[in-house]
Order: sequence, then C-alpha cells, then structure tokens
Amino acid sequence: DVKVTQSSRYLVKRTGEKVFLECVQDMDHENMFWYRQDPGLGLRLIYFSYDVKMKEKGDIPEGYSVSREKKERFSLILESASTNQTSMYLCASSLVPAWGEQYFGPGTRLTVT
Amino acid sequence: GQQVMQIPQYQHVQEGEDFTTYCNSSTTLSNIQWYKQRPGGHPVFLIQLVKSGEVKKQKRLTFQFGEAKKNSSLHITATQTTDVGTYFCAGPPNTGNQFYFGTGTSLTVIP
Repeated sequence: DVKVTQSSRYLVKRTGEKVFLECVQDMDHENMFWYRQDPGLGLRLIYFSYDVKMKEKGDIPEGYSVSREKKERFSLILESASTNQTSMYLCASSLVPAWGEQYFGPGTRLTVT
Repeated sequence: GQQVMQIPQYQHVQEGEDFTTYCNSSTTLSNIQWYKQRPGGHPVFLIQLVKSGEVKKQKRLTFQFGEAKKNSSLHITATQTTDVGTYFCAGPPNTGNQFYFGTGTSLTVIP
C-alpha cells in the first residue's frame, strides 16, 4: 500500500522560529513535492525535487527552502516563520514522469503565532 | 497570479441531483488531472486526461478535457452522500516546469 507520511499533523510555532517539516515516502518515487493549501486558493506548489539533492522552485518558494538528502525523504524548511505562513502543508510524491499521479501525505496544519 | 480557476467555489445539491465543476486555465496544459479531497483528508487522485477533447467515465463521474487543453469539467450524475468533498483539477503547463492546482469546488450533498 502506498504511503506518504508527514512528521506532524499539527504544529504551533512562534514568529521567527526555524521550522522543519518532514515527509517520507515508501514507494521509491523519484519525485517529491511540497504544497501549501489555503481556502479559496487551492494547493500551491512551493518546491519539488526530481532526484536526490535536486530541487526546483515552484510557484511560491519565497520564505521556504528544502532538503532532499535521501530518495525517500523531503524536508521543507521555514528559516524564520512568519504569521502569513500559517497554513496546511501537504507533501506528495510521484513516479516518473514527474507530472503524473501524485500521492499525498495527511498534511501538517502549521500555526505561526 | 492564480493560473487555474474553478467554478463554482461551493455547490450544495440534493442527493440524486447532478453536479458539474468547471476548470479554466490561463495557459495550455499538457494534461489535466482531477483529485478529490474529503473533509479533513488529503487529495486523492481520480483520473488523468491527456488528449485534446478527451472524455473519460468512471461510473457516475464524467471527465472532459477541452479542445484547446485549457479547460476541463467533471460531471457527477445522481450525486450520493459519498460524493461530498472538494474537487480539484490540476496539471502542468505545456512549457516550463510547474504544476498548478485549481481553486477547487466544495460539494455538499443534502440527504
């Protein structure tokens, strides 16, 4: 059974803190993605990675960075969290080609106070 | 700005009524995918269409990809309470390395 897991379901952080969101997939997928989901805006792509140590900017990369040291793990980093980064964060993975069916994790609801 | 818009944003229907959501992209897409997100859940892939004018059916669900590959629709016949959720279209533009989700349509089915 395909599985994408995320480190936390809920997270509360203070403004200015460094935040790490972890995502692990067990499907040996090459491609991994980070999205944020906000009401009325759908899902917006932050970063994606098509191979270990490779990353590409999505539509809204500002204020975020990513790390992919192992194929199964893709981390999203908020260097200095701000209140406008309060959102639902969803991780996904896909096989080759990158833009095929994506499998999503359960999401992390991040609140920055 | 937002590349892929969906209408309506919300739809309430009586069980048994039909439902349609429309998806419009500002750019040509190389394929269109549809996802369903149940309340409190995560998006789950439903289908992918690749060809211009393509129509696919899954039981009561009919998916269409426009001739210009810039719009799509999802039609549900005789809705059931299990159809409740938010439906998203999504796809990569023909050029560039991006992936855009639509704004979503939230469907409520009244028993």
